[in-house]
Amino acid sequence: DIVMTQSPDSLTVSLGERATINCKSSQNLLYSADNKNYLAWYQEKPGQPPNLLIYWASTRESGVPDRFTGSGSGTDFTLTISSLQAEDVAVYYCQQYYSVPYTFGQGTKLEIK
Amino acid sequence: QVQLVESGGGVVQPGRSLRLSCVASGFTFSIYGMHWVRQAPGKGLEWVAVISPDGRDKYYSDSVKGRFTISRDNSMNTLYLQMNSLRAEDRAVYYCAKGPLSGSYCQAWGQGTQVTVSS
Repeated sequence: DIVMTQSPDSLTVSLGERATINCKSSQNLLYSADNKNYLAWYQEKPGQPPNLLIYWASTRESGVPDRFTGSGSGTDFTLTISSLQAEDVAVYYCQQYYSVPYTFGQGTKLEIK
Repeated sequence: QVQLVESGGGVVQPGRSLRLSCVASGFTFSIYGMHWVRQAPGKGLEWVAVISPDGRDKYYSDSVKGRFTISRDNSMNTLYLQMNSLRAEDRAVYYCAKGPLSGSYCQAWGQGTQVTVSS
C-alpha cells in the first residue's frame, strides 16, 4: 500500500499570512502514460464532511478560492494557502488515487495565531 | 446540484451486520464511480471501498476486505455498503462520495452516517 505522510501535524498561522502543508508519498504518483499526478487535497471543517480542494495535484476544484494552490510531482506535494482567512481553519488531508487502496495522509490541523 | 444522503447507521453488537445506503441525486449516477470513506472518532479519514459505474469492479481496504461488500443499484440511484462481522474498530462516521468522470478522487461527499459497534 502507498503510505501518505503529511507535515506538519498541526500549524498555526496569522491571518493574512501564508500556510504551507506538505505531503509525501511512499511511491511515485506520476503516471507516465498521461503525465498526471494522482493526488488530491481535501478540507474538513468541524461538523462538516470533507470538501475537495485540489485534484491532479494542482487543479483547483470549481468554486475553490484561488488562494489555495497545489504543487509538486512524483512523491512530494504541497498545499499552499497564500493569505490565510478565518474560514480556512480546518483539517487538511492529501489522498493518493494512483492505486488501491486509495490512502489518505494523517491530516494537518490548521489554526489561527 | 449533487446530493448524497446516507442512511442505515446505528448501534450494533460486535459480530453482527449492518447495511448502509446512499441515495444520490442531481447527477447521472450510473456513469460515476462511487466510494465509501470512514472516520473514526477523533481520527483521520480512511478510504474503505470503491465501485465502478457498472458495478463490476470493486476494491476494498485491507481492514474491511472479506467482511464488507460495496454494491449499487443504478435503477434506484443508490449505493450500498454491506458490513458483516462488525468489530469495535469499525465504529466511525461513514461517508459516501462521488468520483469524477476521470480519476478516482472523491469529488462530492454526503453528510455521513454514524456506526457504533458495542455490546
